[in-house]
Amino acid sequence: AQTVTQSQPEMSVQEAETVTLSCTYDTSENNYYLFWYKQPPSRQMILVIRQEAYKQQNATENRFSVNFQKAAKSFSLKISDSQLGDTAMYFCALASNFGNEKLTFGTGTRLTIIP
Amino acid sequence: DTGVSQDPRHKITKRGQNVTFRCDPISEHNRLYWYRQTLGQGPEFLTYFQNEAQLEKSRLLSDRFSAERPKGSFSTLEIQRTEQGDSAMYLCASSSRLTGDYGYTFGSGTRLTVV
Repeated sequence: AQTVTQSQPEMSVQEAETVTLSCTYDTSENNYYLFWYKQPPSRQMILVIRQEAYKQQNATENRFSVNFQKAAKSFSLKISDSQLGDTAMYFCALASNFGNEKLTFGTGTRLTIIP
Repeated sequence: DTGVSQDPRHKITKRGQNVTFRCDPISEHNRLYWYRQTLGQGPEFLTYFQNEAQLEKSRLLSDRFSAERPKGSFSTLEIQRTEQGDSAMYLCASSSRLTGDYGYTFGSGTRLTVV
């Protein structure tokens, strides 16, 4: 069974600062994909960033980057120069590369950017 | 393409009634997923289809729940004899294995309230 753990239920940071959201996971698979999704109050889940487990290089997307530590099964999200629009729930998720690729989600971190 | 569409956005029903939700995925996506999200939690996998075939059902999907995807296009999720515990957000997502892209696109969800 796959599990995803997010140990920070809520975080807040001043606008323009940097914030890091933590995620740990467990899987017996060798090949898998990790995701960070953002869910604003409008509800729609939006992909923030994605990491293939076989790639050693950490993924980056503009102000968003990850720190992927495969041995430690850790996958944290760093948001640089945070903006008010970053206020949302953030979910870490895992998908196996074998059989079906359903997503297993963590419980989420509510991030508030303070003006 | 306008993304993944879900209908209705909100549904209030009395306990014991049947409800049906619809999901229209991105047209070229051959995989379709249903998730349930309760307040303050991450989405939980319910079931998924590859084209018209239902490939996996979670143990969360009791015999009161049924999902279909006729002709591999839109999908419906029906809940019979609704219970208060069924109150949740029901999310639909689609993806394509054909392109090798592991991006999942989510709809805005259907919020069900059972009174």
